Amino acid sequence: DADVTQTPRNRITKTGKRIMLECSQTKGHDRMYWYRQDPGLGLRLIYYSFDVKDINKGEISDGYSVSRQAQAKFSLSLESAIPNQTALYFCATSDPGTGGSGEQFFGPGTRLTVL
Amino acid sequence: AQSVTQLDSHVSVSEGTPVLLRCNYSSSYSPSLFWYVQHPNKGLQLLLKYTSAATLVKGINGFEAEFKKSETSFHLTKPSAHMSDAAEYFCVVRRGGSSGDKLTFGTGTRLAVRP
Repeated sequence: DADVTQTPRNRITKTGKRIMLECSQTKGHDRMYWYRQDPGLGLRLIYYSFDVKDINKGEISDGYSVSRQAQAKFSLSLESAIPNQTALYFCATSDPGTGGSGEQFFGPGTRLTVL
Repeated sequence: AQSVTQLDSHVSVSEGTPVLLRCNYSSSYSPSLFWYVQHPNKGLQLLLKYTSAATLVKGINGFEAEFKKSETSFHLTKPSAHMSDAAEYFCVVRRGGSSGDKLTFGTGTRLAVRP
């Protein structure tokens, strides 16, 4: 089974709708991240969480919110989706104890289309 | 602030010929550097990482990268390309310090392998 899972894998929604993307991990890592990927721009950090009580904004948090329900679960919400939020979204985890390298482990991604 | 520049957005090679994907970084202190690969419709997989140990880093699938501080480069190479190497490759720097494990991604290099 995959260590980092994301649901749904694909989603089409309409402008103005609220949508939630979910991420679960079985790696036992405290740190979790949400990124979006746009063609030609690489991955950009939306939000990150170093533990259940520690949530921080990333580079592009406007229009997004997150919830860390447990160590293993980190959800990303779009309160009112707009077309320029159409992108591929990735969840990732890391463990500061893994030799301190900062390696992150990624989920398979969620492709979101906002019409 | 940390940043990475991937010098080529697209690279095309023939099967069996060498691969060179170029990356320059900027960091205010000793960085951790990574190369990740993304195959079509897949998540990101770690190819290799540099964390201030040996400057020549060997990764999976025959890839390697050399950290050159004097040139601020971390180029990815492979002696002989295989069709399965066709993918998008991301050079990544870890911000570290008080920023924890946050990563900054390059914009990606798409590698095409011709038969």
